[in-house]
Amino acid sequence: DAEITQSPRHKITETGRQVTLACHQTWNHNNMFWYRQDLGHGLRLIHYSYGVQDTNKGEVSDGYSVSRSNTEDLPLTLESAASSQTSVYFCASSRLQGSPLHFGNGTRLTVT
Amino acid sequence: GIQVEQSPPDLILQEGANSTLRCNFSDSVNNLQWFHQNPWGQLINLFYIPSGTKQNGRLSATTVATERYSLLYISSSQTTDSGVYFCAVELGRNSGYALNFGKGTSLLVTP
Repeated sequence: DAEITQSPRHKITETGRQVTLACHQTWNHNNMFWYRQDLGHGLRLIHYSYGVQDTNKGEVSDGYSVSRSNTEDLPLTLESAASSQTSVYFCASSRLQGSPLHFGNGTRLTVT
Repeated sequence: GIQVEQSPPDLILQEGANSTLRCNFSDSVNNLQWFHQNPWGQLINLFYIPSGTKQNGRLSATTVATERYSLLYISSSQTTDSGVYFCAVELGRNSGYALNFGKGTSLLVTP
């Protein structure tokens, strides 16, 4: 069955370190998204991509970057981790603009 | 940006009861979806419903796009319905087609 896999499931890192969260989907979807979820804020969009070599900033993109070198993967990089980036991160994908969105199981990141 | 407001923020039901969750949005939308986040944190797509009514088992959803609201109905609730229900809307090309989420309705169904 097609799916979205996020890794790692849990990560603890120190302030200032670079961290990369992986997202791999086997749906062959064009669109991929990264959201963060925090208490009181719901889900907020970080970055998104509509295809290979395409990336776009979302509502809370400062301090994060993504790259899309193939259809299956959209890694999220925290250039210099900050305590404010402690959160649960969700990757999602959809076939086309306006199609149902499907989520991975999330990565819980703690920055100490 | 678009405002997505969900009500009520919290809801406690006894098993077997029915409930209605509401999502109001402040602008015309191309796309509206409902999600359930279970107690283990998984986000499951329930409905893709930019307009009209859909049903899936005990759940149904109605979106009245012209009046800018959507409703999620849960009938004969079960403990497995517990979790957080999110409404998300998409504005279309000008906003990059990405979904904007409400803050959710937290539902607890007790035995």
